[in-house]
Amino acid sequence: GAVVSQHPSWVICKSGTSVKIECRSLDFQATTMFWYRQFPKQSLMLMATSNEGSKATYEQGVEKDKFLINHASLTLSTLTVTSAHPEDSSFYICSALRGNTEAFFGQGTRLTVV
Amino acid sequence: GQNIDQPTEMTATEGAIVQINCTYQTSGFNGLFWYQQHAGEAPTFLSYNVLDGLEEKGRFSSFLSRSKGYSYLLLKELQMKDSASYLCAVSDSNYQLIWGAGTKLIIKP
Repeated sequence: GAVVSQHPSWVICKSGTSVKIECRSLDFQATTMFWYRQFPKQSLMLMATSNEGSKATYEQGVEKDKFLINHASLTLSTLTVTSAHPEDSSFYICSALRGNTEAFFGQGTRLTVV
Repeated sequence: GQNIDQPTEMTATEGAIVQINCTYQTSGFNGLFWYQQHAGEAPTFLSYNVLDGLEEKGRFSSFLSRSKGYSYLLLKELQMKDSASYLCAVSDSNYQLIWGAGTKLIIKP
């Protein structure tokens, strides 16, 4: 299967700082990437759809100024959590769409804000 | 609205067979995915169905009936490592993934 690399796997940051998470499709080009958030024992929650070369589409209730998404190339999308707070602590997962069918997931990033 | 339903939790015995059902109501359909997710890890891709019928891949098989809005994931010869959550997701008319809440599968010796 295709490989999607997400970095970092885990990060601890201080409250008020910003954290950038990278999602790379290593062996295919992805026009579309998705960013998810998962709280313990809950399903994945789609945060936004990232399209290469255009603005991301955010789901209702997701603050676009807080969760900055950039999809500058066909193989890289980034999610920046700005001014992080403890309630932002969560598991963030990206997925990249190959063609219009298969979605491949990154390993996920566990963010802890202290 | 769009909706994906699957059981919250199932229990099965090592070596046995288990079927996890998924029903869906979505605006458009561009395929149905099954993912496996171990606790604390990202989901891993198991199968993709876009046409009706059964797709077999080793110990795992996935079935789709588009007219019924129904799919199932069949796991054979269960192993303890199969204990995980199994997520059903449908690609809608905009190729966006609509996720079920996941089925937690518990395997007992």
